Amino acid sequence: DADVTQTPRNRITKTGKRIMLECSQTKGHDRMYWYRQDPGLGLRLIYYSFDVKDINKGEISDGYSVSRQAQAKFSLSLESAIPNQTALYFCATSPPYFSRDGEHNEQFFGPGTRLTVL
Amino acid sequence: GQNIDQPTEMTATEGAIVQINCTYQTSGFNGLFWYQQHAGEAPTFLSYNVLDGLEEKGRFSSFLSRSKGYSYLLLKELQMKDSASYLCAVDNAGNMLTFGGGTRLMVKP
Repeated sequence: DADVTQTPRNRITKTGKRIMLECSQTKGHDRMYWYRQDPGLGLRLIYYSFDVKDINKGEISDGYSVSRQAQAKFSLSLESAIPNQTALYFCATSPPYFSRDGEHNEQFFGPGTRLTVL
Repeated sequence: GQNIDQPTEMTATEGAIVQINCTYQTSGFNGLFWYQQHAGEAPTFLSYNVLDGLEEKGRFSSFLSRSKGYSYLLLKELQMKDSASYLCAVDNAGNMLTFGGGTRLMVKP
């Protein structure tokens, strides 16, 4: 079973529509992230959450909103979709950060949602 | 600001060795990650460096020089399945990652 799941996997919608992308995880991690990926631009952070009551904007939050419904669930919404939001969207999770040398906390990614806005 | 540079594309031959470079300029540094991403799939963790030097993991090795803001990923004995994108990412603030644009590696027979 996948540890980080995303629904839907593919979505085609029209300009102006409201879209919600959902992410669930069974890893028990507190930290969750939403990224978008565009060709040649790598992964860019949209929003992140370090626990249920903590929501923070990332590099490119304009046009997006999020909801952390539970430790295991983190949803991304596009209130009014536009064509330049066409991209591959990834959710990721990580355990709490430890600062000791040699310790690291990788991020675990979901399978992605391919969103097309016409 | 954050700036992470890596080549856009590389091509190598099956069985050979390839080195993918990454240079970075970030406001903070808590380590550097390399991820592998096959087309249309999720990135998966390959390696992490926080101290200068080489970390070896089977056919893959990663090197870091913090003073030079430089890392490389070394892939040995290339296999066709190594054709993928390789993402360099800097942890610049307690597990907050900034990613480079990725290097698409094509392995040819």
